[in-house]
Amino acid sequence: AQSVTQLDSQVPVFEEAPVELRCNYSSSVSVYLFWYVQYPNQGLQLLLKYLSGSTLVKGINGFEAEFNKSQTSFHLRKPSVHISDTAEYFCAVSFSGGYNKLIFGAGTRLAVHP
Amino acid sequence: DAGVIQSPRHEVTEMGQEVTLRCKPISGHNSLFWYRQTMMRGLELLIYFNNNVPIDDSGMPEDRFSAKMPNASFSTLKIQPSEPRDSAVYFCASSRPPETQYFGPGTRLLVL
Repeated sequence: AQSVTQLDSQVPVFEEAPVELRCNYSSSVSVYLFWYVQYPNQGLQLLLKYLSGSTLVKGINGFEAEFNKSQTSFHLRKPSVHISDTAEYFCAVSFSGGYNKLIFGAGTRLAVHP
Repeated sequence: DAGVIQSPRHEVTEMGQEVTLRCKPISGHNSLFWYRQTMMRGLELLIYFNNNVPIDDSGMPEDRFSAKMPNASFSTLKIQPSEPRDSAVYFCASSRPPETQYFGPGTRLLVL
């Protein structure tokens, strides 16, 4: 069965420090990969996605992620975070050839401190 | 282009009452999804429609839950009768496969 694991439930970090949020998936078929962000009391907003092509994907707000097929990972990174990046981040996977049903990870709460 | 629209944004009701949540997908999107988000279970897919037809309702928790999509621009999720354990945030999302799903702002439901 397909699944998504976000290895850290919470990540505290100081402002202007780099951050990496980890995501691993399991699947026996080709996948599409997504990162969504959820600010307090709001819906989910797409940060970036990997469908095919270059394994390094750049998204909004200075975030990027790298698809690593051999390690079945899609970690999210930002070189310098801001207070405004404080939010919940969700990794999700869908399966090529399917109807783009998303399987979500449990989420990682990023807390940026001054 | 307007995003996914959900109403109401907040709903407080008493146990046993009927609750109806509404969603208007993005124009031109032919796939619609209903999700539920709770602290305990995270984000769960409840039901998926394609071209107004329910394709996958395996996530609907029980018979108290029902969803309809009478046309391409409107969907409802109904809970009857509601129970306190239904308290959650309910999201609607739409897409034009295989493209990205776009989420609405959610409906916060509290069942007392």
